[in-house]
Amino acid sequence: DVKVTQSSRYLVKRTGEKVFLECVQDMDHENMFWYRQDPGLGLRLIYFSYDVKMKEKGDIPEGYSVSREKKERFSLILESASTNQTSMYLCASSLPNPYGYTFGSGTRLTVV
Amino acid sequence: GESVGLHLPTLSVQEGDNSIINCAYSNSASDYFIWYKQESGKGPQFIIDIRSNMDKRQGQRVTVLLNKTVKHLSLQIAATQPGDSAVYFCAESGNNQGGKLIFGQGTELSVKP
Repeated sequence: DVKVTQSSRYLVKRTGEKVFLECVQDMDHENMFWYRQDPGLGLRLIYFSYDVKMKEKGDIPEGYSVSREKKERFSLILESASTNQTSMYLCASSLPNPYGYTFGSGTRLTVV
Repeated sequence: GESVGLHLPTLSVQEGDNSIINCAYSNSASDYFIWYKQESGKGPQFIIDIRSNMDKRQGQRVTVLLNKTVKHLSLQIAATQPGDSAVYFCAESGNNQGGKLIFGQGTELSVKP
């Protein structure tokens, strides 16, 4: 069963902490994406990557960075967590465009 | 600017009835469309997709209709069941989107027993 795996379902972090959200896919997909999902705002693209070691800013990259050292792994980093980064974070992967995404189960992050 | 939106934010149907969820898009260059289902606390799951060279595609209990003339997409669910209760998102993409999907806001479907 092909899948996208996010390392944590729930996380609670303190303001100012550096936070790592990990995502691994086993489908050999080139494209990987990080979204956050908030009530009333829908899915908003943070960063995406089309290949190893490359990254592109999405619509809301401020306060985040990413790393893609291997094709199957795409990490989202919150350099200094803030309460307004409390959200559901969704990772997805896909074949080159245009194709649908396969999503992970999401990580619900709470910053206190 | 380009956008994908849903006409209704909520939809309530009786178990066994058919459901129709609508979506409007504004980018006439979009050539790929997809519907996702998201249950509470879970990630979105693929339901069905359609490319612009088609106007209808059927899956198991689901049908997607594409009207390019009016830039409208719909998802029909036959014999709706309680397990269909979820938020449904449409999304669109095209070669000018660099592989990115543009998502609508979602419609919450509630199935009454």
